[in-house]
Amino acid sequence: DGGITQSPKYLFRKEGQNVTLSCEQNLNHDAMYWYRQDPGQGLRLIYYSQIVNDFQKGDIAEGYSVSREKKESFPLTVTSAQKNPTAFYLCASSISLTGGYGYTFGSGTRLTVV
Amino acid sequence: AQKITQTQPGMFVQEKEAVTLDCTYDTSDPSYGLFWYKQPSSGEMIFLIYQGSYDQQNATEGRYSLNFQKARKSANLVISASQLGDSAMYFCAMREGQGGGFKTIFGAGTRLFVKA
Repeated sequence: DGGITQSPKYLFRKEGQNVTLSCEQNLNHDAMYWYRQDPGQGLRLIYYSQIVNDFQKGDIAEGYSVSREKKESFPLTVTSAQKNPTAFYLCASSISLTGGYGYTFGSGTRLTVV
Repeated sequence: AQKITQTQPGMFVQEKEAVTLDCTYDTSDPSYGLFWYKQPSSGEMIFLIYQGSYDQQNATEGRYSLNFQKARKSANLVISASQLGDSAMYFCAMREGQGGGFKTIFGAGTRLFVKA
């Protein structure tokens, strides 16, 4: 079955550490996205990518970095510069950036700073 | 400024009845898209329905319909014949046009409780 796989499901980070969240899709989608969700709130866009080797900052990109070396993969690194990283992170993909295509989401990674 | 506003933090509906979840949006771009997503307690987001800004008719997908009133900038979700499995968070989202970098932004969500 096609879909998006996010790993790990739970992640604990110590202060000052960088951590990388994995996102892999086998839907042959061009566009991929990273969102952050805080308790009781909506999703906020961190980064998005329309094609391989290209990505754009979203509304809250500070303290995060991404790469898009392969169409299937869009990993997110939470750096030590992100002061409040504890949140639920959702990766998504869509056929393209435009058009009436809804996103397919992964099951999320819950990151906790310890 | 809030671009997507969902004014109902929580809603209750009796099983088998219809319910309307409100959403208003703000954009100056003539070309945009409106989406609704469902988030069950498991956390995964599920795409429900889409409405394009140039679409003349309201979108429908099974028990879901989108009441699109362009002049009022509202895109309310109507769920007919509610089921217990409809209990979840519902998010309205807007994909901006080229002027907004084609970004999709989400509202704060409405939690729907379906009563037996």
